[in-house]
Amino acid sequence: KAGVTQTPRYLIKTRGQQVTLSCSPISGHRSVSWYQQTPGQGLQFLFEYFSETQRNKGNFPGRFSGRQFSNSRSEMNVSTLELGDSALYLCASTGTDGNTIYFGEGSWLTVV
Amino acid sequence: AQSVTQLDSHVSVSEGTPVLLRCNYSSSYSPSLFWYVQHPNKGLQLLLKYTSAATLVKGINGFEAEFKKSETSFHLTKPSAHMSDAAEYFCVVSLFSGGYNKLIFGAGTRLAVHP
Repeated sequence: KAGVTQTPRYLIKTRGQQVTLSCSPISGHRSVSWYQQTPGQGLQFLFEYFSETQRNKGNFPGRFSGRQFSNSRSEMNVSTLELGDSALYLCASTGTDGNTIYFGEGSWLTVV
Repeated sequence: AQSVTQLDSHVSVSEGTPVLLRCNYSSSYSPSLFWYVQHPNKGLQLLLKYTSAATLVKGINGFEAEFKKSETSFHLTKPSAHMSDAAEYFCVVSLFSGGYNKLIFGAGTRLAVHP
């Protein structure tokens, strides 16, 4: 069974631009969550989607948004990029036990 | 309030010696507990999980962890370190609240393994 797949793996953007990251969960998993990881702040929860509905949201500005499609694939978008948005963005899907989280390899975003 | 504390930010061991990464949690409920490993430039890989079955949990790559409710601890151990174990390790608590699971991450422990 394929794991959580994130694309792109690496990208460089300029301040003020916007970016869209994609995540395909493990087949059969319906919950997808997103995390931001930086050296200074560690792992921070962005949001979680279940059956195309945002179920939970972390403490991030409105520039960070996401959505989930009917096939459980998810995208997150960051608008008006700032230098501080440079981070590893991790997507995770929740197993059928409703409890175990499986992470993707992440998308490395560098804002210059 | 629920929290996770990884007691050491850095641990350094020699190859072939035991590994101990310490984790304490605070929870009002019966939590599910996980250990994840992150190698450089990689995502988080699940090592093992505790979900109220056996208190001694065996994971991948020879790691195991023991849930001790009286000590609110979930320390990760391995009898003999390998160079490939060098990575960052995260202790995570999952709490079911408001209809969904909320994850609380420890700050991470960076494990260095020396030849």
